[in-house]
Amino acid sequence: KQEVTQIPAALSVPEGENLVLNCSFTDSAIYNLQWFRQDPGKGLTSLLLIQSSQREQTSGRLNASLDKSSGRSTLYIAASQPGDSATYLCAVLSSASKIIFGSGTRLSIRP
Amino acid sequence: DGGITQSPKYLFRKEGQNVTLSCEQNLNHDAMYWYRQDPGQGLRLIYYSQIVNDFQKGDIAEGYSVSREKKESFPLTVTSAQKNPTAFYLCASSIRDGKNIQYFGAGTRLSVL
Repeated sequence: KQEVTQIPAALSVPEGENLVLNCSFTDSAIYNLQWFRQDPGKGLTSLLLIQSSQREQTSGRLNASLDKSSGRSTLYIAASQPGDSATYLCAVLSSASKIIFGSGTRLSIRP
Repeated sequence: DGGITQSPKYLFRKEGQNVTLSCEQNLNHDAMYWYRQDPGQGLRLIYYSQIVNDFQKGDIAEGYSVSREKKESFPLTVTSAQKNPTAFYLCASSIRDGKNIQYFGAGTRLSVL
């Protein structure tokens, strides 16, 4: 059974720092992996999607990597800003119909 | 604007009462999903529907029911059999293209009176 883990559960860093969020999964047979952002009391917004055949995806200050063999993905945020404060969730697509979510990392950027 | 609309934003349930959460999408997506989110946890799948008039149980379907009579609509009923309904409920939809990129609504927060 696929399990997705995100550590740490919470992270606080000063503005301007580069940071890395981690996601691990137990079954390497995935179709793709997505990173989402969730603001308090709101829905999820997709940030980046990496297909199983890809190693990384970039969007602006965000870079997501995927290492299927080790069951890991990282989300790199460059030059963090207070507006980046949110919960970040990763999710893997293990079958055509089902996505398994991690519990998220709550990120706080201190001005 | 295209998107997914969930209503109401907040909902209160009395003991023994059934309540229905609305989810409407105008993205012309075939597939729709309902998730439950508890504090500090990820999303857990309640029900999903790949096509009109068809739906499947997710991981935590007990105490919930759904219908899919129209492509645009996928309402979720939280029945009195769900003994711990307090949570944040999220609806999503996707194209059936294998990538399963899901677009989410803003959520409904359900509390018990």
